[in-house]
Amino acid sequence: GAVVSQHPSWVICKSGTSVKIECRSLDFQATTMFWYRQFPKQSLMLMATSNEGSKATYEQGVEKDKFLINHASLTLSTLTVTSAHPEDSSFYICSARDLFQGLQETQYFGPGTRLLVL
Amino acid sequence: QKEVEQDPGPLSVPEGAIVSLNCTYSNSAFQYFMWYRQYSRKGPELLMYTYSSGNKEDGRFTAQVDKSSKYISLFIRDSQPSDSATYLCATFPLTGGGNKLTFGTGTQLKVEL
Repeated sequence: GAVVSQHPSWVICKSGTSVKIECRSLDFQATTMFWYRQFPKQSLMLMATSNEGSKATYEQGVEKDKFLINHASLTLSTLTVTSAHPEDSSFYICSARDLFQGLQETQYFGPGTRLLVL
Repeated sequence: QKEVEQDPGPLSVPEGAIVSLNCTYSNSAFQYFMWYRQYSRKGPELLMYTYSSGNKEDGRFTAQVDKSSKYISLFIRDSQPSDSATYLCATFPLTGGGNKLTFGTGTQLKVEL
């Protein structure tokens, strides 16, 4: 149980294009999903918290107009990197909290999406 | 000072060794503690979760929490090459915190044959 998927697993795009990354909780419902960014040999940096049916909460320094988050259902959240530039190249990871899990602080992570912007 | 400190390593041990991975934290509000394992180019995988001070054991893994000294540890017994990964400690407050995990930087572990 507690499986989180991400699609695509990797993507290469040209500078200036937009890229959408999907995060799905496959066997549980998640009212809250989180989006992280990870640079090589560094820890995860929280970008935003996504709540189903409401606007995402962005961390300080994260541009909400550049990183659009939509949490349309209890099993799906999407991150769209708009007008991507080479400095946006990174490993993007989502996580989800199980709505019915007794230990609500437990987050399950997706496998990550590697983005390379040329 | 970071809220959670973790030695980035790398830590190299021979197969079969006992591995000790550690984190310290500064915020007394942190009450829940997790250990995640992350293989290269993969998402983190939850290994252990604990709330209380003391030890929690799961197979070859033991998580230890000492809230008085704000110190958490993960022990791996009979380490295997497949344990080679980056291990991240994470913590969460009892209240507040906005449901956000605070991560350590991760310790890279290599178990050699």
